[in-house]
Formats: sequence, structure tokens, C-alpha cells
Amino acid sequence: SQQGEEDPQALSIQEGENATMNCSYKTSINNLQWYRQNSGRGLVHLILIRSNEREKHSGRLRVTLDTSKKSSSLLITASRAADTASYFCATGPSGGSNYKLTFGKGTLLTVNP
Amino acid sequence: KAGVTQTPRYLIKTRGQQVTLSCSPISGHRSVSWYQQTPGQGLQFLFEYFSETQRNKGNFPGRFSGRQFSNSRSEMNVSTLELGDSALYLCASSLIQSQETQYFGPGTRLLVL
Repeated sequence: SQQGEEDPQALSIQEGENATMNCSYKTSINNLQWYRQNSGRGLVHLILIRSNEREKHSGRLRVTLDTSKKSSSLLITASRAADTASYFCATGPSGGSNYKLTFGKGTLLTVNP
Repeated sequence: KAGVTQTPRYLIKTRGQQVTLSCSPISGHRSVSWYQQTPGQGLQFLFEYFSETQRNKGNFPGRFSGRQFSNSRSEMNVSTLELGDSALYLCASSLIQSQETQYFGPGTRLLVL
């Protein structure tokens, strides 16, 4: 079953606007990651935030993590048509020997020129 | 470094046949994970290999199997194919722990007729 659940399932914005996607999860985590997937292709890693971090930036991306609410958000600023893709959050569990990431079902972002 | 490569990229099979997919991880990466992606179920974890040993397994029937070689290359096999096995199969490699950043290949799109 999916650990992370992204919200919204789909988002359509105009070029230049900001896009915010949210992710909620259920169990304790070691880290949370965001990936992007262009239609029918492999996933590309965007950013990793560890459980002891609250915010992280990478270029036009800003990720926040609230472990008390078990949620994360991904903000893409000044969006471009090339940002059109599906965005997935993935959680790495803490403790045990469960060496795997669990992915959500993704948010489909459409940036209109 | 060269990225993760997967072969073949596209495959058409008929029900009852078997298929073998191949994945070459990034040089130096020892962990290889496999995922099945379908529109309905999203990204589902199949299994993960590390140093030629299966370290983790998802909830898939025994028809799905895999292995890893000493050079970290990995194969997955699906026997007695069913229509529902039609999907994009993604391979991802990471340095040591599959909880950490994963680097995905372009995927193999399998169509079962």
C-alpha cells in the first residue's frame, strides 16, 4: 500500500505562477524525497529532506517537512512549461531492515504557456 | 558516469509467455530496486537486491522473480504472463541503501496481449 499520498492529484497553472504540492504519510520516516516523472519515462530525483530537517531549497524548489503532522510540501516557484510532469513523494522508513522507498500516486502538474 | 540503463525498452508478449528484463546500475552502486508502474496502482515496489542478495520484497506473486550478479547488474523475470502484467517496469540504483536517493532508468514498457 502507498505510504505517501500526494494532494492534489492534478494541478493546472499558468507559466510564471507558483505550484504547491503536498504529501502526507503514515509511519515514522528517515527521509522524504520528491521525484519528477515526465510522461512515460523514468523518475528523476529532485530533493531529499531528512527527518531532522524542516526546510530545504534547490534552485526553484522549496521543500518543507513537518514530522509532527506527517506531511511535506513541494513548492515550485516561477513555473515553466518544462515543469509539466508528475511529481511523486517517497518515504524512507526509519528503523528496522525495511530498505525501500515507498511512493505515493503522484500529482500531475500541467503548466500552460 | 553513465546512468542506469534498462533493456529492452519495449516488449510485446502474449499471455502465458515469460519475459526477462535487464538493468545495469550506475557504476559503483550496489543496490538495485525494481518497480512496476501502472495507471491504476501507481508505483509498486517489486524487490530490491544488494550484493547479490534479495534484501526486500513487495507483495507480488511468485511469478515475479529477480537476481543480481556480482557486477551489480540485475535481471527480473516474469513467468506465465497475464494481461495485468502490462506495465512500465522501472529499475533504480542507489549507492548502498535503497532508502537513499535512487537513480532511475528509462524503464521497460511491457505489453501483454
